Amino acid sequence: QVQLVESGGGVVQFGRSLRLSCAASGFTFSSYAMHWVRQAPGKGLEWVAVISHDGSNKHNADSVKGRFTISRDNSQNTLYLQMNSLRAEDSAVYYCAGSSGNYFDYWGQGTLVTVSS
Amino acid sequence: DIQVTQSPSSLSASVGDRVTITCRASQSISSSLNWYQQKPGKAPKLLIYAASSLQSGVPSRFSGSGSGTDFTLTISSLEPEDFATYYCQQSYSPLPYTFGQGTMLEIK
Repeated sequence: QVQLVESGGGVVQFGRSLRLSCAASGFTFSSYAMHWVRQAPGKGLEWVAVISHDGSNKHNADSVKGRFTISRDNSQNTLYLQMNSLRAEDSAVYYCAGSSGNYFDYWGQGTLVTVSS
Repeated sequence: DIQVTQSPSSLSASVGDRVTITCRASQSISSSLNWYQQKPGKAPKLLIYAASSLQSGVPSRFSGSGSGTDFTLTISSLEPEDFATYYCQQSYSPLPYTFGQGTMLEIK
């Protein structure tokens, strides 16, 4: 069955970096655009970034532009999010999600990032 | 950016009730509106895409309608497992995708 498993979350100091990973299985990863969506504790959902199926196109939300970089390795069925210059407002559960169209078909279980001062 | 506003923000209902949640976009988004269900501590789950298409495996008591700026999610007869938070999400070009603020559906 479809599985998306995020890893790499944890507690990190303000201004430092963290890299999240998302391992995919059970579907043709290289055919899907992939996204990161985050959810601050007790809050709603916020789209963060998208990468096309072949990695040729990427877009970020304005809130993370210039700080976060999405990438993928289709040979390893893995999605990444490099997060630099982390701020308190980046504290959230980060979900990876796959999309076959303009919606999120598949979701991982999420990984928690906490930015501390 | 296109904003989406959900109403109500919370709702109390009983098993067997018919429930409707509304989402309004700040500009016309055609049928580019999706609905998700999220239970505490879990990832969201896609229910409805393109305003009215039922995702595979989702019970037929869930339905979506609307186009342009006004959309609804209807649950025809609530089951115990339907008590959750529901989000709409617009996927009209260009990016960014945006979500409604959520509707928490609670047991009365």
